[in-house]
Amino acid sequence: AQSVTQPDIHITVSEGASLELRCNYSYGATPYLFWYVQSPGQGLQLLLKYFSGDTLVQDIKGFEAEFKRSQYSFNLRKPSVHWSDAAEYFCAVVSNTGGFKTIFGAGTRLFVKA
Amino acid sequence: GAVVSQHPSRVICKSGTSVKIECRSLDFQATTMFWYRQFPKQSLMLMATSNEGSKATYEQGVEKDKFLINHASLTLSTLTVTSAHPEDSSFYICSARDQRWTEAFFGQGTRLTVV
Repeated sequence: AQSVTQPDIHITVSEGASLELRCNYSYGATPYLFWYVQSPGQGLQLLLKYFSGDTLVQDIKGFEAEFKRSQYSFNLRKPSVHWSDAAEYFCAVVSNTGGFKTIFGAGTRLFVKA
Repeated sequence: GAVVSQHPSRVICKSGTSVKIECRSLDFQATTMFWYRQFPKQSLMLMATSNEGSKATYEQGVEKDKFLINHASLTLSTLTVTSAHPEDSSFYICSARDQRWTEAFFGQGTRLTVV
């Protein structure tokens, strides 16, 4: 069965510093990969997704994620973190052989210090 | 993206009673819906998958008689927590997808508190 590993339970970054959240998946074929963000007590918001094509995906808020097939990774990065980025980040994978279920990693809690 | 609406957003019920949570796809046909549970400071755990007009498929360890799922139409799935107990208190989130899509879209979640 497919699985997702987020090795860091929590990360603390200074405001303005760069960020990288790690995500590894276990799946044989090309997976569909996602990053979601969740603020306390709130639902999920989709940040980025990768299905195919360019292995670097970006959003308008400065987040980017890179799919590296050889490393089974889909790490999330941001060059300069803002205090409002503090939240829980979940990496997730969907496989078309798994009934299109979304399987989530354990999550990484991001703390931003002034 | 497509919109999934979940209702209610919060509910408090007494121990022993049942509570129903609705998940609606507002602008697409949800041939498949998924129900997740999230305990505090934990990740989302898939409880069950439901296909419209079929019985739900439950993940291992999820009691199907306790968590009743109905997916009778292409826009609505319901999760009923029967005889709720305090340990059922959790955040429940649904997601829905059209059969043509890879991606599922998530509802806003329901915070259930059993007292």
